Amino acid sequence: SYVLTQPPSVSVAPGKTARIPCGGDNIEAKSVHWYQQQPGQAPVPVIHYDRDRPSGIPERFSGSNSGNTATLTISRVEAGDEADYYCQVWDRSGHWVFGGGTKLTVL
Amino acid sequence: EVQLLESGGGLVQPGGSLRLSCAASGFKFGAYWMNWVRQVSGKGLEWVANIEHDGNMKFSADSVKGRFTVSRDNDKNLLYLQMNSLGVEDTAVYYCARAGDFSSSPIDFWGQGTLVTVSS
Repeated sequence: SYVLTQPPSVSVAPGKTARIPCGGDNIEAKSVHWYQQQPGQAPVPVIHYDRDRPSGIPERFSGSNSGNTATLTISRVEAGDEADYYCQVWDRSGHWVFGGGTKLTVL
Repeated sequence: EVQLLESGGGLVQPGGSLRLSCAASGFKFGAYWMNWVRQVSGKGLEWVANIEHDGNMKFSADSVKGRFTVSRDNDKNLLYLQMNSLGVEDTAVYYCARAGDFSSSPIDFWGQGTLVTVSS
């Protein structure tokens, strides 16, 4: 089955840019979706189809997908962005696959 | 307002069964693929199963295949997850989640989850 690899943690200072990678074999051939999960809360979608922001998501959130890595980029990071972030792809077998998640820490 | 409200979680012994329900409101339930996703405490998200609009097409993760069955009642706006032969590894928060028109459509709304604890 398809495997998505994320670093367990990423740290960034407030006002800086955070980049969270999601690795997978030829992932650029797939559509990647990203979810934010605050502690004790249900996940919330922040990026769909590599780079589309759902309604209500700030422009500070953006996505890209190339080669074997998709990336969630958060510009001008705020304290409220501290959360776990998960990437997800749809496998042609009809299954969904999640990455292991990355904890974003705002220093 | 879109709402997904899970219920049916609780404590069950290993080898037991449990049926989760998800009550949907605020949208045309029968027009969407629906998913179950679970999360072990302190761990990541794991997709469990999904089901097509009319219930004819279903997929499930290898970890639950043959033990869990997803179903839906579009007249009652309810999604179900029948869980049999439960093991301690099935202990998790189970989320009901709405997707779009296609099996490959991303999840766009999540319920708040219901906790399932498998323990003797």
